[in-house]
Amino acid sequence: DAGVIQSPRHEVTEMGQEVTLRCKPISGHNSLFWYRQTMMRGLELLIYFNNNVPIDDSGMPEDRFSAKMPNASFSTLKIQPSEPRDSAVYFCASGGQGNQPQHFGDGTRLSIL
Amino acid sequence: GESVGLHLPTLSVQEGDNSIINCAYSNSASDYFIWYKQESGKGPQFIIDIRSNMDKRQGQRVTVLLNKTVKHLSLQIAATQPGDSAVYFCAENSGYALNFGKGTSLLVTP
Repeated sequence: DAGVIQSPRHEVTEMGQEVTLRCKPISGHNSLFWYRQTMMRGLELLIYFNNNVPIDDSGMPEDRFSAKMPNASFSTLKIQPSEPRDSAVYFCASGGQGNQPQHFGDGTRLSIL
Repeated sequence: GESVGLHLPTLSVQEGDNSIINCAYSNSASDYFIWYKQESGKGPQFIIDIRSNMDKRQGQRVTVLLNKTVKHLSLQIAATQPGDSAVYFCAENSGYALNFGKGTSLLVTP
């Protein structure tokens, strides 16, 4: 079975540029999560979608960050304009209803120069 | 605030020995706990979970123990192998969100 698929795996860009990260959740999962991982802060939840609707975006650090889920099989996380402090690994995870484990993609390693 | 934390940041064990990774949590309302393994360059991988109505659950070479009295969770890996070298995270789920610990790095030496 295909797991959570993220693209790109690596992104290097200059500050001020727009960055778009993509995620395809596991088919049948109705919950989708975006996380950010850094050495200093560990894994942080950015936003949570349920049935394609954003439920909790309190972890989104600034208005420069936005996320969409136009359908059950696709989500994007956009940073505009990007800054060096946004450099991190961004993970997407999906899960079923209730107390079920979240399954993670392999992440996008983002470097903003 | 509520938090999930790990007692040991690094653990070194010899191949073939058993490993025990510990985790403390502070949210007494948490009813679901998960252990993840993260290898370099990959996302966290689900290992095993346990619900609060249980105190032990076994998988293949792994056992999770839950002590609700002292709010403690542990992951035991039997006959540790080089492929077990990774960072291990515990997480608690008291709703939709996962609250992750900082992680423990497990190094298996030959």
